[in-house]
Amino acid sequence: NAGVMQNPRHLVRRRGQEARLRCSPMKGHSHVYWYRQLPEEGLKFMVYLQKENIIDESGMPKERFSAEFPKEGPSILRIQQVVRGDSAAYFCASSQLAGAQGYTFGSGTRLTVV
Amino acid sequence: GESVGLHLPTLSVQEGDNSIINCAYSNSASDYFIWYKQESGKGPQFIIDIRSNMDKRQGQRVTVLLNKTVKHLSLQIAATQPGDSAVYFCAEKDGNEKLTFGTGTRLTIIP
Repeated sequence: NAGVMQNPRHLVRRRGQEARLRCSPMKGHSHVYWYRQLPEEGLKFMVYLQKENIIDESGMPKERFSAEFPKEGPSILRIQQVVRGDSAAYFCASSQLAGAQGYTFGSGTRLTVV
Repeated sequence: GESVGLHLPTLSVQEGDNSIINCAYSNSASDYFIWYKQESGKGPQFIIDIRSNMDKRQGQRVTVLLNKTVKHLSLQIAATQPGDSAVYFCAEKDGNEKLTFGTGTRLTIIP
């Protein structure tokens, strides 16, 4: 059973471009969470989604950032018009049930904006 | 706002010795705590967890202690090995779905 799969592992974008980060949850998991990690810092919650629904987006910046988890396919975190401050590691996690004690993280996508 | 923080950003321990990593939290509503290990270039890896109705929980070579009176959490690693070198994060939940992470402690095992 594959773990949480994130791709790409590394992504380089120029300022003003769009970044799309993909996350395939573990098999059977219908809850997905996105976190951002700046260098030398802890992870910060961004958004919690279930299939076709955004449950909690309290950690998402108001502009340029969006997330979706369609009925079919991976969850997508989309960053429009990237700026240097968006450079970070973005981690996805998934769980089978809401209220799961802990959940499984993917290996992350490291976004570098040049 | 509420936050989870750590007392020491770095810790060096001789191989074979025990290590203790500390964490302070401020959200009195937190009812579940987790320790994660993160190696370079990887995602956080679950180590051990504890619910707020407990004060101690043991795993293989690891023990988590919870002191709710002073809002303090610690991770003890026994007989440290080179593979234990990593950044360790505590995280907490207060009933909703999101985890609040501390900033991390970098543990270095000295051969």
